[in-house]
Amino acid sequence: DAKTTQPNSMESNEEEPVHLPCNHSTISGTDYIHWYRQLPSQGPEYVIHGLTSNVNNRMASLAIAEDRKSSTLILHRATLRDAAVYYCILLTGGYNKLIFGAGTRLAVHP
Amino acid sequence: EPEVTQTPSHQVTQMGQEVILRCVPISNHLYFYWYRQILGQKVEFLVSFYNNEISEKSEIFDDQFSVERPDGSNFTLKIRSTKLEDSAMYFCASSDWQGARETQYFGPGTRLLVL
Repeated sequence: DAKTTQPNSMESNEEEPVHLPCNHSTISGTDYIHWYRQLPSQGPEYVIHGLTSNVNNRMASLAIAEDRKSSTLILHRATLRDAAVYYCILLTGGYNKLIFGAGTRLAVHP
Repeated sequence: EPEVTQTPSHQVTQMGQEVILRCVPISNHLYFYWYRQILGQKVEFLVSFYNNEISEKSEIFDDQFSVERPDGSNFTLKIRSTKLEDSAMYFCASSDWQGARETQYFGPGTRLLVL
């Protein structure tokens, strides 16, 4: 249902960059790639989204492969507060329920 | 920064009782959602709501569930006769438009425990 594949878990050290991969080999031409995260005991939080070009915002960067079959969320300098479950979700037009997979649980070590 | 709020933060109820979970979406948003997350499991879509109508609902959202926007600010989820398996975190979300670039803003959730 989720149409995306992510590693179950990743680890990082504080202050280091983190690259979180997502595979979406069946992506259609109109699907946008969205990333949300869920901090412990909180609701999901929007991180970033993109279609074809790489995107940057204050939270992260999104690198999208040329064939769009995969993408990578980049946290440039991980902090302890970035420890969360990160979800890669595809959205198309119309009524847009978010379909959450298991995501990637990111642990950040001091 | 505007945010989605939810009340109560925690609710304990007896099986068979009715509960109403309340949400105040961001004020200029028009699209509203309820999701739930059973402990240790994925976040699951329940229902979407626009223009005072349900846009889409999941198979989880059976006749025991209903949603309402009783006034210009609140968005509620009612469970008529709670079951043990309704115990979960319930998240409300809102967005200001729909489409592939839509961003949904989530509330902090209500933890419902059915005994």
